[in-house]
Amino acid sequence: KNEVEQSPQNLTAQEGEFITINCSYSVGISALHWLQQHPGGGIVSLFMLSSGKKKHGRLIATINIQEKHSSLHITASHPRDSAVYICAASGNDYGGSEKLVFGKGTKLTVNP
Amino acid sequence: NAGVMQNPRHLVRRRGQEARLRCSPMKGHSHVYWYRQLPEEGLKFMVYLQKENIIDESGMPKERFSAEFPKEGPSILRIQQVVRGDSAAYFCASSKQLNQPQHFGDGTRLSIL
Repeated sequence: KNEVEQSPQNLTAQEGEFITINCSYSVGISALHWLQQHPGGGIVSLFMLSSGKKKHGRLIATINIQEKHSSLHITASHPRDSAVYICAASGNDYGGSEKLVFGKGTKLTVNP
Repeated sequence: NAGVMQNPRHLVRRRGQEARLRCSPMKGHSHVYWYRQLPEEGLKFMVYLQKENIIDESGMPKERFSAEFPKEGPSILRIQQVVRGDSAAYFCASSKQLNQPQHFGDGTRLSIL
């Protein structure tokens, strides 16, 4: 069982829809990361958060420490948002170092 | 300010050869991480280094794999006597300090013939 679980595995949406991707983790963390992997393979760090909520443009990330759960929201989705979104945990019970433990990713396709 | 630079982008090797993957972190970053993404699988941690030191190598295979981050120059991930199962995308990331976001390179796609 992966220590970081994401859902859904695949997600198809129509342009303009509100998107939610969920992530749960099983042990204590120091930070939760959301990454975006483009179809070409490059990886971009979207958010790093340890509490509360962060917003960047149309992207919003939230975390509930007590429930060990995080969500990534995309408002007014666009075809260019099509990518694999990856949740990762670091620190504390994940070996205590800075290494990231990854979920398997959510493949998002936004149709025009 | 250049991002994390990895080279080569693509590397083809025959079984038994050596593969050397290079990673230059972002300017001012002294923490380097290597991750591997096997085909159709998620990313897995391999090794975490600071200048001249290996901090955590718990994800490195016990044999054939080594990593370094010398005082001068890029970090190197070295795979000796490559096998078909080493075919993967290898990503490097860097951060400036502890508890800071990691910035990723574009990866090296290693193919073993």
